[in-house]
Amino acid sequence: ELKVEQNPLFLSMQEGKNYTIYCNYSTTSDRLYWYRQDPGKSLESLFVLLSNGAVKQEGRLMASLDTKARLSTLHITAAVHDLSATYFCAVDGGTSYGKLTFGQGTILTVHP
Amino acid sequence: NAGVTQTPKFQVLKTGQSMTLQCAQDMNHEYMSWYRQDPGMGLRLIHYSVGAGITDQGEVPNGYNVSRSTTEDFPLRLLSAAPSQTSVYFCASTELETQYFGPGTRLLVL
Repeated sequence: ELKVEQNPLFLSMQEGKNYTIYCNYSTTSDRLYWYRQDPGKSLESLFVLLSNGAVKQEGRLMASLDTKARLSTLHITAAVHDLSATYFCAVDGGTSYGKLTFGQGTILTVHP
Repeated sequence: NAGVTQTPKFQVLKTGQSMTLQCAQDMNHEYMSWYRQDPGMGLRLIHYSVGAGITDQGEVPNGYNVSRSTTEDFPLRLLSAAPSQTSVYFCASTELETQYFGPGTRLLVL
């Protein structure tokens, strides 16, 4: 059974600081996803990581994937209030697309 | 394109009632999925489909039925609602490695 664990589950940051969210998964996977969710909203796709060593960056967010360690990280640089949201990682472990196993989510709050 | 649409946006049911959550997509995607989201647990896969006429169970299928008679529609049926099914339900369609999530349906079972 594929398991996905995120940590931390709660993250309170000051504006301007850096931090990393970790995502561990239990079995070999072909695809690793990061999503953002604002309260009461649907999921917004941030990154899709498809190979070992993949790194993607968008603004203040950078995601990386280490398939050997079964670990992905989401690094936040110089946090701003607008980044406050819940962040999920998800893994697609099957041969069919669209069967995602999600982590528990990390609730990020950025304070002035 | 409307993308993925879900109806209703919000529903209140009494225990034992039945209802169908509707999901439709206009992108001609073969893969569609239903997830439920509960506090502190992320999203969990209920059922998914790889094409019209083909469905399979996900992680938490009990209490839910699905069918896929067309590529566009993937309804989720609750035959006898229970308070444990109070949740937010998301439908998604998939094209290769990209998922398109609907806006969600909030369901409260009393």
